[in-house]
Amino acid sequence: AQSVTQLGSHVSVSEGALVLLRCNYSSSVPPYLFWYVQYPNQGLQLLLKYTTGATLVKGINGFEAEFKKSETSFHLTKPSAHMSDAAEYFCAVSEGPGNTPLVFGKGTRLSVIA
Amino acid sequence: NAGVTQTPKFRVLKTGQSMTLLCAQDMNHEYMYWYRQDPGMGLRLIHYSVGEGTTAKGEVPDGYNVSRLKKQNFLLGLESAAPSQTSVYFCASSGGTSAAGEQFFGPGTRLTVL
Repeated sequence: AQSVTQLGSHVSVSEGALVLLRCNYSSSVPPYLFWYVQYPNQGLQLLLKYTTGATLVKGINGFEAEFKKSETSFHLTKPSAHMSDAAEYFCAVSEGPGNTPLVFGKGTRLSVIA
Repeated sequence: NAGVTQTPKFRVLKTGQSMTLLCAQDMNHEYMYWYRQDPGMGLRLIHYSVGEGTTAKGEVPDGYNVSRLKKQNFLLGLESAAPSQTSVYFCASSGGTSAAGEQFFGPGTRLTVL
C-alpha cells in the first residue's frame, strides 16, 4: 500500500529564508508525486507534479521539488520565503499513470515570520 | 469555466439528521472523488467514481453513500449524521488530457454535527 510521510507538522521560517518541506513516500510501483497548497478556508491548489522524466520539477510561485528514488523522497523547496507563502502544504502519491486516487500526507503548516 | 463547485459551503446538523452534499464539475472529467479533512489527518478518501454510474469505496467510507447519475455531478450522502462526521469535505475531479491524474479541488463544505 502507498503511504506518504511529511516530516514536521509545522515549519516556521523568516521572510527571505530557504523553505524546505520534507516528503517521503512508499510505493510498490513507480510513483506519481504531487505537492498541493491550501490557503486558509480554501480548497487545494496544485503546486507541482512529478510523473516521469526530469527529476527536478518546477512549479508555481517559485517552488520546486526533486524526486530522489534512492531516498524515496520528494522534498519541496523555495529559495526565498515570502509572507504570501504562509499556508498548509500537502504531499501526495498515486500509482499512476491514469487517474488513480491520491494518498495524501498529513500536511505541513508553513509560517513565515517578518 | 467554474471548475469544481460544492454546495453548500457550510451546514450544521443535529445527530441523526441526513443531508446530501453536491459536487459539480464543468471540465468533462471522468473521475470524481470525495475527501474529508480533519486537523492533523490530511485528506482521507471517502468514495470515488471512475465514470457515470460507477462508484467505489475509499479509505473511510462508513456512514457515507454516493451517487454519480450524471457525469458532471457527484453526490455525497449522510443518512444519519454523527458528531464524528464533523469535518471539512472536499470534492475533486480528474481526467481529460491530464494523464498524470492531477486532481482539481472544490472550495470545500464545512459540516458540523451537534
